[in-house]
Amino acid sequence: EVQLVESGGGLVQPGGSLRLSCAASRFTFSSYWMNWVRQGPGKGLVWVSRINSDGSITSYADSVKGRFTISRDNAKNTLFLQMNSLRAEDTAVYYCARGHYHDSWGQGTLVTVSS
Amino acid sequence: EIVLTQSPGTLSLSPGERATLSCRASQSVSSSYLAWYQQKPGQAPRLLIFGASSRATGIPDRFSGSGSGTDFTLTISRVEPEDFAVYYCQQYGSLPVTFGQGTKLEIK
Repeated sequence: EVQLVESGGGLVQPGGSLRLSCAASRFTFSSYWMNWVRQGPGKGLVWVSRINSDGSITSYADSVKGRFTISRDNAKNTLFLQMNSLRAEDTAVYYCARGHYHDSWGQGTLVTVSS
Repeated sequence: EIVLTQSPGTLSLSPGERATLSCRASQSVSSSYLAWYQQKPGQAPRLLIFGASSRATGIPDRFSGSGSGTDFTLTISRVEPEDFAVYYCQQYGSLPVTFGQGTKLEIK
């Protein structure tokens, strides 16, 4: 069974940075596009970013463009999200999800931006 | 950006009844790149349908998807107790990828 495990969330002050990781296993990670999706407290799902299988193509939601960077290490089967200049509205559970349509999801990691 | 509008916001049904959930797009969804997800409290979403009408692996056949262009439907033929959850549609054919706001299926 596909496994995706996020880590790196936590409490950060406005303007701060965090780096999220998503460890993938039990599938050929280097063959899949990957995504980050977030969900604010009591809110719906919001797509954040995606990256193609070799890392050469990235896309972002307008709300995070210029502040967040998605990347991957196919040798280590790991997806990353570098988040800079964090704002209160970035507070959410962040999920990594596999593929153009997200057929597998991690359990999520909570990011709280607050002073 | 393609805006997805789901209706109704909340659907109250009894087990055994038929559920019909709607997802309307502000512009045509290319190649029917439309997916449906189920999310229960405290859990990650689960893929139900992709390509507007293809069931994901392990999804019971009481779940079906239909539609094209701007109008899509998720149907649950007979609602089971474990189906009470929030359902989201998503288009993944155009950037940015977008989700609907969700439909909550609750027990009547």
